[in-house]
Amino acid sequence: ETGVTQSPTHLIKTRGQQVTLRCSSQSGHNTVSWYQQALGQGPQFIFQYYREEENGRGNFPPRFSGLQFPNYSSELNVNALELDDSALYLCASSPGHTAPEAFFGQGTRLTVV
Amino acid sequence: SQQGEEDPQALSIQEGENATMNCSYKTSINNLQWYRQNSGRGLVHLILIRSNEREKHSGRLRVTLDTSKKSSSLLITASRAADTASYFCATDPGGATNKLIFGTGTLLAVQP
Repeated sequence: ETGVTQSPTHLIKTRGQQVTLRCSSQSGHNTVSWYQQALGQGPQFIFQYYREEENGRGNFPPRFSGLQFPNYSSELNVNALELDDSALYLCASSPGHTAPEAFFGQGTRLTVV
Repeated sequence: SQQGEEDPQALSIQEGENATMNCSYKTSINNLQWYRQNSGRGLVHLILIRSNEREKHSGRLRVTLDTSKKSSSLLITASRAADTASYFCATDPGGATNKLIFGTGTLLAVQP
């Protein structure tokens, strides 16, 4: 176990709805990154938060947004859900924004119907 | 976008045999990491090799890195049924963020 927890584990939403996914980072870690993993693919970097500020973003539209709280937990919000947003969403925490190793949670499986 | 490709896409071997997976990437890197994923759940970090290293060992794992060819390989020796999983290489390009760029993965099945 990495100490990174995500909730919920599974979620079904309707196209056009909004969703919020949550992540609690490992104790002592101030950096959280979010990844999207489509079926049969490797994870793709969405964005990273370091000390409550966005610190890097991948090739995802603005309807993907996030927050990091003072306790370093984080949320991923997705607005106007599309069918292609169906994926496993992974959160990873690190002890710093340049620390090489990432500790992943078990992920949230989002299905958009 | 994916950083590169992994080869093979799928591999089936018998317990006790060795498994070799290859990874190619496209851009310069700070380090390269290998992760394991069981049944579409979370990723588990296996090993990290820095760009100035050529080979690294950890238990039954051996990783090589050839930066001139932009490729890496992961060898799992004396495989076990519990090694059945998907394996991903991930590159860290360095800079102000430690974002990882993952390959497409190799699905390893170890038959008892």
